[in-house]
Amino acid sequence: DAMVIQNPRYQVTQFGKPVTLSCSQTLNHNVMYWYQQKSSQAPKLLFHYYDKDFNNEADTPDNFQSRRPNTSFCFLDIRSPGLGDAAMYLCATSRDTGRGLFFGSGTQLSVL
Amino acid sequence: SQELEQSPQSLIVQEGKNLTINCTSSKTLYGLYWYKQKYGEGLIFLMMLQKGGEEKSHEKITAKLDEKKQQSSLHITASQPSHAGIYLCGADIADDKIIFGKGTRLHILP
Repeated sequence: DAMVIQNPRYQVTQFGKPVTLSCSQTLNHNVMYWYQQKSSQAPKLLFHYYDKDFNNEADTPDNFQSRRPNTSFCFLDIRSPGLGDAAMYLCATSRDTGRGLFFGSGTQLSVL
Repeated sequence: SQELEQSPQSLIVQEGKNLTINCTSSKTLYGLYWYKQKYGEGLIFLMMLQKGGEEKSHEKITAKLDEKKQQSSLHITASQPSHAGIYLCGADIADDKIIFGKGTRLHILP
């Protein structure tokens, strides 16, 4: 089935150790998003790609980077994870603007 | 900036009872989405509303967008244990973005 796949499901990293989260999609959607969701909080948009155009939110820390090498894949790189970066990271896709988002199952990141 | 306020934050309902969750926006809504999230998982799309006064139903869930397009409600009829989870509303804002409310945690008592 066409879907949005996030790997790994759970990720544990050490304080300051770089970590990469991955997202792939078989929907051939133009837009891919990364959201950060902390416990009992609303998902917070970090950045999104419209095709190859990267759009960073103004309040996304520089510690967070993203890559989209092709339509199907998008990566979230956290260069130096801090304890405050422990959260659920959600990848989503959309065929176009105003069409709703399709989410992956998320990656739960723990920072020790 | 636009904000979405959901109420109640948490809801405990006896199985078989009806319930309503509300989502209020600080600005006019141009696209309103309802999602369901189970604990520790991703969001599942439920419904999208765009027009003032629009109402959509799927199985026992009905969502409405008011005429002024600043408030939406999600109504579940004859609730079941499978309805338990976190319900989030999301809204289209400028520049290809969707923002979300904090969610309403729904618990169903058998």
